[in-house]
Amino acid sequence: EIVLTQSPGTLSLSPGERATLSCRASQSISSSYLAWYQQKPGQAPRLLIYAASSRATGIPDRFSGSGSGTDFTLTISRLEPEDFAVYYCQQYGSSPFTFGPGTKVDIK
Amino acid sequence: QVQLLESGPGLVKPSETLSLTCTVSGVSISTYYWSWIRQPPLRGLEWIGYIYYSGSTNYNPSLKSRVTISVDTSKNQFSLKLSSVTAADTAVYYCARGWAPDYWGQGTLVTVSS
Repeated sequence: EIVLTQSPGTLSLSPGERATLSCRASQSISSSYLAWYQQKPGQAPRLLIYAASSRATGIPDRFSGSGSGTDFTLTISRLEPEDFAVYYCQQYGSSPFTFGPGTKVDIK
Repeated sequence: QVQLLESGPGLVKPSETLSLTCTVSGVSISTYYWSWIRQPPLRGLEWIGYIYYSGSTNYNPSLKSRVTISVDTSKNQFSLKLSSVTAADTAVYYCARGWAPDYWGQGTLVTVSS
């Protein structure tokens, strides 16, 4: 099973700042099958990025994904008020699919 | 537009079987893979398994002995059964489309308690 580690656990930033979130895998992820989700309280997760760097439909271009192998990054170029949430990475290249523990982005 | 809606009991007794159905609208279930994912209160996400319309399945080994996912193409639905539940199975259960799901149900809280 591929274990995903996300860092930091919490990121305290102000609107307009840049957010950089890390996701590290215990082994290489096949074909960069790595996705990122945003989740707000009481809501289902929302797909932001799939295949490591492809934005999902309707996702603003301030969200970008990068990386390959075992190291992946989600960058939010300029935080908007609605971006404060929990972010999860997920690998779907190897069964069982697994999620990271999440990074909470909160308002400084 | 694509919509998914979970339905089923919100309370299940220990040792019994949890049963949920996901009704899909706006797209035929006879395309894509369809997943179940759960989230215990105030915790992270856990992938339970997926099914293809043909009936092919893949389950999380941690739950494999207790999980069955099935599909009913005539009703555009797929279902989850989890047997011998304990309090550790208390969670919000989501149905979703695909392996990196782009459409999710709203989620349904299932509490395991006597």
